[in-house]
Amino acid sequence: KAGVTQTPRYLIKTRGQQVTLSCSPISGHRSVSWYQQTPGQGLQFLFEYFSETQRNKGNFPGRFSGRQFSNSRSEMNVSTLELGDSALYLCASSLAVGTGNTEAFFGQGTRLTVV
Amino acid sequence: SQQGEEDPQALSIQEGENATMNCSYKTSINNLQWYRQNSGRGLVHLILIRSNEREKHSGRLRVTLDTSKKSSSLLITASRAADTASYFCATVSYGNNRLAFGKGNQVVVIP
Repeated sequence: KAGVTQTPRYLIKTRGQQVTLSCSPISGHRSVSWYQQTPGQGLQFLFEYFSETQRNKGNFPGRFSGRQFSNSRSEMNVSTLELGDSALYLCASSLAVGTGNTEAFFGQGTRLTVV
Repeated sequence: SQQGEEDPQALSIQEGENATMNCSYKTSINNLQWYRQNSGRGLVHLILIRSNEREKHSGRLRVTLDTSKKSSSLLITASRAADTASYFCATVSYGNNRLAFGKGNQVVVIP
């Protein structure tokens, strides 16, 4: 079974630009979550999608958005990039929402550098 | 908001020794999970312990959970150089899959 696939792996963008990151979950997993990891703030939850609906959202500005498609693939978009958006963006998939017994499977992440 | 707070933050041990990390949290949880991360790559799930469980084992890993003290510990026995990584605890509340991570423990196992 293929794992969680995130593309691209590395990205360099200029301040003010926008970026779209992609995540393909494990086959059969319908829940996809996104996390931002920085040295200063650690791992922070961005949002969670299940069956194309955003179920949960973290404390990030509106420049951060996401969506999920009918095949469970998810994208996140960051508009008007700032230097502080430089981070490792991790996507995690899991089988279901709210069961409390499901582990999350993470992709290798997308390393975004804003210059 | 971040829930888990691991202690100690950095640990350096000799191969073959045991490594213990602690994690505390603030609110009620459904379960607590431990993850490993190598060199800023993706996280690997190690073990999940539910709020009604007190101890769980997986290979050389032993996790305990004390909900009265809102704390958990991860023990790695007979450590190996390959165990060198950052270890994170994460809590999950009822009704969602949102992981609230601690700041992580960096463990270095010296061969």
